[in-house]
Amino acid sequence: EALLVESGGGFVQPGGSLRLSCKASGFTFSNYAMTWVRQVPGKGLQWLSAVTGSASVTYYADSVKGRFTISRDNSKNTLFLQMTSLRVEDTAMYFCARGSGSYTYLNSLDPWGQGTLVTVSA
Amino acid sequence: NFLLTQPHSASESPGKTVTISCTRTSGSIASNYVQWYQQRPGNSPSIVIFEDDQRPSGVPDRFSGSIDSSSNSASLTISGLRTEDEADYFCQSYDNSTTVVFGGGTKLTVL
Repeated sequence: EALLVESGGGFVQPGGSLRLSCKASGFTFSNYAMTWVRQVPGKGLQWLSAVTGSASVTYYADSVKGRFTISRDNSKNTLFLQMTSLRVEDTAMYFCARGSGSYTYLNSLDPWGQGTLVTVSA
Repeated sequence: NFLLTQPHSASESPGKTVTISCTRTSGSIASNYVQWYQQRPGNSPSIVIFEDDQRPSGVPDRFSGSIDSSSNSASLTISGLRTEDEADYFCQSYDNSTTVVFGGGTKLTVL
């Protein structure tokens, strides 16, 4: 069974940085594109970023381009999201999710991790 | 970019059928596949429909998806409603072949 477990969330002051991790198991990690999606508690889903299976290509939503960096270590089956210049409005639950193929993340995100909460506050 | 517009809420009784809509504000709904995700309270989202009308293994056939070009919308229909179907439902598509777009979500109450 494919499983994703996020970690690295916590409290950070505005302007600070945080690095999220997503540990994968139960499938060949390098064969799948991976994404990050966030959700303000009680609100909707917002796609943030994606990376292909080989890490050769990355994609970002305009709202985080230049501040967030997605990466992966296929030898450790782990996905990362480096977040810098954090703002109060970045406060949310952050989920990682698997795409449906090495280059494909647009037409199916499954499974999702349980999420890690990031709180940006002074 | 386009938006995907969903009703904020829907409600129906157990055993009945409910349909949740997802309207694309610009561009054709048929241009890019639509997916649907279920998020039960306190849980992470899980996919129930992919590529407009495909059901992942393990998802009951009570769940079905469709698109309607005349209204430029996608629909998720749940028949034989159960209390366990009470959840938030999000539609999802994509733009420019790289950007994922989610609808605002519909809170389904089964009462």
